[in-house]
Amino acid sequence: EIVLTQSPGTLSLSPGERATLSCRASQSVNSTYLAWYQQKPGQAPRLLIYGASSRATAIPDRFSGRGSGTDFTLTISRLEPEDFAVYYCQQYGSSLWTFGQGTKVEIK
Amino acid sequence: QVHLVESGGGVVQPGRSLRLSCAASGFTFSTYTMHWVRQAPGKRLEWVAILSYDGSNKNYADSVKGRFTISRDNSKNTLYLQMNSLRSEDTAVYYCARGGFGDSMYPGGYWGQGTLVTVSS
Repeated sequence: EIVLTQSPGTLSLSPGERATLSCRASQSVNSTYLAWYQQKPGQAPRLLIYGASSRATAIPDRFSGRGSGTDFTLTISRLEPEDFAVYYCQQYGSSLWTFGQGTKVEIK
Repeated sequence: QVHLVESGGGVVQPGRSLRLSCAASGFTFSTYTMHWVRQAPGKRLEWVAILSYDGSNKNYADSVKGRFTISRDNSKNTLYLQMNSLRSEDTAVYYCARGGFGDSMYPGGYWGQGTLVTVSS
């Protein structure tokens, strides 16, 4: 089973700043099957990125993803107030899904 | 539009059973793989089970294998999760999520609002 490790655990930033979130896999992941989600308290996860770099429907272009092999990154170019949340990476390239432990982006 | 609504959660004693349902609408349910994912309070998302569009293939997380059963009724556009021998560590919000079309692999583009299962004596 592929283990996904996200860093940092918490990112303290101000609105307007750039956020860079990391997701490292225990073994190589086909980038076609790497996704990122945003989750706010009391809400279901929201798909942001799939295929490592493709934005899901209606996701603003300030969200971007990149990476390959074992190292993937989610970047939020300029944080908006509504972007403060928990972010999860996920691999979905087999008959099971695995998630990272999450990175919380909080207001500094 | 796509809508997934879970139901069946509640408080249950350890060792007892519970069945969750997920009613789907707004898409052709019988053509999509479906998943159950859970999230214990304050914890990460944990994938639970997958069921192919036609019910022929299924898989489970090791933590629930042998105790939980995923099924679907395509005539009723409904996904189920039968949970037996419940443990305190099964306490979580349970989400259903839509996966890929047919045999394709796709992440959870659509999720329900979740139903809370609390296992406690």
